[in-house]
Amino acid sequence: EAGVAQSPRYKIIEKRQSVAFWCNPISGHATLYWYQQILGQGPKLLIQFQNNGVVDDSQLPKDRFSAERLKGVDSTLKIQPAKLEDSAVYLCASSSINRDRGRRYEQYFGPGTRLTVT
Amino acid sequence: AQRVTQPEKLLSVFKGAPVELKCNYSYSGSPELFWYVQYSRQRLQLLLRHISRESIKGFTADLNKGETSFHLKKPFAQEEDSAMYYCALSVTGNQFYFGTGTSLTVIP
Repeated sequence: EAGVAQSPRYKIIEKRQSVAFWCNPISGHATLYWYQQILGQGPKLLIQFQNNGVVDDSQLPKDRFSAERLKGVDSTLKIQPAKLEDSAVYLCASSSINRDRGRRYEQYFGPGTRLTVT
Repeated sequence: AQRVTQPEKLLSVFKGAPVELKCNYSYSGSPELFWYVQYSRQRLQLLLRHISRESIKGFTADLNKGETSFHLKKPFAQEEDSAMYYCALSVTGNQFYFGTGTSLTVIP
């Protein structure tokens, strides 16, 4: 099966500019995640979707970050305006749900988008 | 709050030596623990999960609820094991929390 796709792979912008990232999850995966990974740190969950609904966005800086998954498939993450500290790799991941005993399935990660804010 | 701690940022071992990557977690409920690995220039991928109690590429990890630990072990390290390893905690609702990672280098 095709993996999680992300674009662009690299982006360089100046502070106060806007940027958008796109993610296409694995077909049939209901859950989609956006992570921010700053150099030297582990991935930090920004937002989690279940189909087109938000499950968790508690760590999303909502004054500048927004995300949507309108049709429950593709998703976009936007930053407006960008700050220097937003420089990071933005990872998208998807997973399926096994409703039996509430088990959680593994996440499949995309290649990430490396954002540099100058 | 949910927390995952990986105390070692860097770990070097010689080929053939045992390796242990430490992971401690903080969660009051019933956790699911995972180890993810990222090889050079590759995507982050699942290595193993505690619920399946399996051995992948010679690695094992046992969930110790008393010590709230999920250390990753391999008796004989190989050069191809050199990678970045992340411990992750999953809680209700399929939410995931990652540790800061340990970079493992296996010296030939």
